[in-house]
Amino acid sequence: GDSVTQMEGPVTLSEEAFLTINCTYTATGYPSLFWYVQYPGEGLQLLLKATKADDKGSNKGFEATYRKETTSFHLEKGSVQVSDSAVYFCALSEKGAQKLVFGQGTRLTINP
Amino acid sequence: GAGVSQSPRYKVAKRGQDVALRCDPISGHVSLFWYQQALGQGPEFLTYFQNEAQLDKSGLPSDRFFAERPEGSVSTLKIQRTQQEDSAVYLCASSLRTGSGNTIYFGEGSWLTVV
Repeated sequence: GDSVTQMEGPVTLSEEAFLTINCTYTATGYPSLFWYVQYPGEGLQLLLKATKADDKGSNKGFEATYRKETTSFHLEKGSVQVSDSAVYFCALSEKGAQKLVFGQGTRLTINP
Repeated sequence: GAGVSQSPRYKVAKRGQDVALRCDPISGHVSLFWYQQALGQGPEFLTYFQNEAQLDKSGLPSDRFFAERPEGSVSTLKIQRTQQEDSAVYLCASSLRTGSGNTIYFGEGSWLTVV
């Protein structure tokens, strides 16, 4: 079945550092790919998405590119802030399906 | 309200007790989902409604779990004879349309602890 594997956490960085959180997926077709973020005390929020190969999703300085050849959707940000501290989830949704399949999440802590 | 609303936010149940968790999706949203999130894990799909029709219940872990959305708006997830392994956050989510690329909006979850 479909699955998503994320870089294990927790990840701790200093403010203004470069961030990469790796995500790879297994799917039978060509899924849509998502990054969701869960800030402390809040619900899951969509951060960005890409619906086809080579698409780049971006939001709030975060970017991720849909790489079909490596089945990856790595999340990057050039300069992180303390306010980016949260749990990040990579997810996929197969074409024609409604549900999301999530990775296990990566906890990110940014120190000032 | 503007977002997906869930109640209760926190529930402590004694083993064997029945619980009911309520979800108010965003007004007009056709699709509604329930997910279960264990501590330190990603959410796992339980069930999906398109309006009042339950089109996918493949993720419900046992026949103790039951969900309904009788009028195509509010939904209730019921867990009968709760067990300790049912302790988790139960997330409700909705989207305006069907289709895999549509944005899904999540509620803050109902935290269930079975003691």
